[in-house]
Amino acid sequence: GNSVTQMEGPVTLSEEAFLTINCTYTATGYPSLFWYVQYPGEGLQLLLKATKADDKGSNKGFEATYRKETTSFHLEKGSVQVSDSAVYFCAVYNQGGKLIFGQGTELSVKP
Amino acid sequence: DTAVSQTPKYLVTQMGNDKSIKCEQNLGHDTMYWYKQDSKKFLKIMFSYNNKELIINETVPNRFSPKSPDKAHLNLHINSLELGDSAVYFCASSFRAGGGDEQYFGPGTRLTVT
Repeated sequence: GNSVTQMEGPVTLSEEAFLTINCTYTATGYPSLFWYVQYPGEGLQLLLKATKADDKGSNKGFEATYRKETTSFHLEKGSVQVSDSAVYFCAVYNQGGKLIFGQGTELSVKP
Repeated sequence: DTAVSQTPKYLVTQMGNDKSIKCEQNLGHDTMYWYKQDSKKFLKIMFSYNNKELIINETVPNRFSPKSPDKAHLNLHINSLELGDSAVYFCASSFRAGGGDEQYFGPGTRLTVT
């Protein structure tokens, strides 16, 4: 079935550094792909999504492009802030209608 | 205006007790979900209801019983609590089932079983 694999954390960066969190997927067809963010003590929030191959999702300075050639949906941000410290989840629906999450990548940004 | 709300936010109880968690969404969505997040942050779906009908029922102990009195509410009752049930439980909702729609999550209920 459809699944995602994302890079393990934790990832520690200095403020204004460039961020990449890798996510690769296996899927039948081209299901929508999602990045969710979980700030400390809170529920998950949708960060961005892409609904078809070659789509780019973007929000709050984060971007991810749905690449079918490399089956990837890597999350990037040009300049991280302390407030971006959170856990980031890549996700895809499987054929049974279940949203399958990656294991989460914890990001810590230091001033 | 809260979209998906859960009560309580924290729940501390002893082994063997029975407890319930309530969830409500005011988004007009047809589909609601329960997820369990373990201490390593791994998220796994437990149940899903579409317009009060159970559509996803993962391999969960039958001590866990969801109930949806209407499409805006989904409650989770847990009987005979065990230490391993300690986790954060999230409720979520989406516009429709299996349509690839984004899901909106509640703030979570941290359950601690002692």
